[in-house]
Amino acid sequence: QVQLLLSGPRLVKPSETLSLICTVSGVSITDYYWSWIRQPAGKGLEWVGRVSPSGNTKYNPSLQTRVTLSRDTSKNEFSLKLYSLTAADTAVYYCVRDGHLVGARWAHEGFDIWGQGTMVAVSS
Amino acid sequence: DIVMTQSPLSLPVTPGEPASISCRSSQSLQQSNGHNYVDWYVQKPGQSPQLLIYLVSNRASGVPDRFSGSGSGTDFTLKISRVEAEDIGVYYCMQALQTPYSFGQGTKLEIK
Repeated sequence: QVQLLLSGPRLVKPSETLSLICTVSGVSITDYYWSWIRQPAGKGLEWVGRVSPSGNTKYNPSLQTRVTLSRDTSKNEFSLKLYSLTAADTAVYYCVRDGHLVGARWAHEGFDIWGQGTMVAVSS
Repeated sequence: DIVMTQSPLSLPVTPGEPASISCRSSQSLQQSNGHNYVDWYVQKPGQSPQLLIYLVSNRASGVPDRFSGSGSGTDFTLKISRVEAEDIGVYYCMQALQTPYSFGQGTKLEIK
């Protein structure tokens, strides 16, 4: 059974850096793509970025200058760092599984596995 | 960026009746492989979103067959053949043709 466990702070101060870790169990992170999604309170869903089985990354241009995604294959986890936080970054953050490789090509079958989501508040 | 527009944004439905949600994209979501990269998700109250349908019409594991998806190009539809009380929540379409992936605004399904 594939599970994603999201960990990180619930409260971060403005201008500081948010660090979230998504620990994967049940599959190897090197076999799949993984994305981050966020949702401000009472609002819709925003895709933040994606890390590939090989560690390549893609980012939402709206956040590209402030976000870094990475992974640690030895721990089977991937992580998000979001810099220079403002109140607008207050949201529930989700990690999700985002497809796999078939040969050399990405095969999309939806975001089929979601972490539990963590509410992050940016406030002094 | 691709913009996804859903309608209606609010959908009151009587149990047992059908329901339909429309999703329109600002450009075609069909890739050269013939697939249209549209998914549907539902977020039930207090829960993480969950996958209903991927690539227009493929139901995710465990999704009842009363849910179906259709469409091609820029127009897509999610249909529920007979709404049940457990179907309440916010339904989102999403395009995965190109990054940044983008979601529709969400359609809130409520029971009359």
